[in-house]
Amino acid sequence: NAGVTQTPKFQVLKTGQSMTLQCAQDMNHEYMSWYRQDPGMGLRLIHYSVGAGITDQGEVPNGYNVSRSTTEDFPLRLLSAAPSQTSVYFCASSYVLAGGSGANVLTFGAGSRLTVL
Amino acid sequence: GNSVTQMEGPVTLSEEAFLTINCTYTATGYPSLFWYVQYPGEGLQLLLKATKADDKGSNKGFEATYRKETTSFHLEKGSVQVSDSAVYFCALTSPTTGGNTPLVFGKGTRLSVIA
Repeated sequence: NAGVTQTPKFQVLKTGQSMTLQCAQDMNHEYMSWYRQDPGMGLRLIHYSVGAGITDQGEVPNGYNVSRSTTEDFPLRLLSAAPSQTSVYFCASSYVLAGGSGANVLTFGAGSRLTVL
Repeated sequence: GNSVTQMEGPVTLSEEAFLTINCTYTATGYPSLFWYVQYPGEGLQLLLKATKADDKGSNKGFEATYRKETTSFHLEKGSVQVSDSAVYFCALTSPTTGGNTPLVFGKGTRLSVIA
């Protein structure tokens, strides 16, 4: 199993450029999410999806768009990159724990490091 | 809203020392609690979990007990190894009428173990 695959691993953009971070999972997970990781800030949720065709905003959604046309893919789009979006981005998919808690257990990709100049 | 507070790092220990990383939380209802670990250059991976009060999660010698009375989920290991050097994240999710809330993470605690 490949798990969660993110591409690219590294990217440098100029302010105002657009790009898409790709995320694909092969575990048939319904739930997928994007986080950004910044020093001293931990992980902050950008957007998430509970299934194909359904997306919702997280804690820090501004400047990012997502779509979920298939169960497998959940791309993150930056329409006009800003230096404040320099970060490491993690995609995660999850399954629901058995036993009634309903809690999601996340499987993370290896991350995409983005630098905006 | 839900939140997680972890002790700030970095934490530096000698090999075979005892480890405690404190985690306290604020949440509605009865959350599920997690510890994730991030090794250098990698994504996060689940270390252990507990879904109800007094549950003890354990894995790879690490343990954490879900204490509802103190809203805590402290991570412990009796004897750390150099290979345990990583960043550790406490996290929670809580149930709602439509499912569980997205996972909320603490800021992470960096552990360095020296030989």
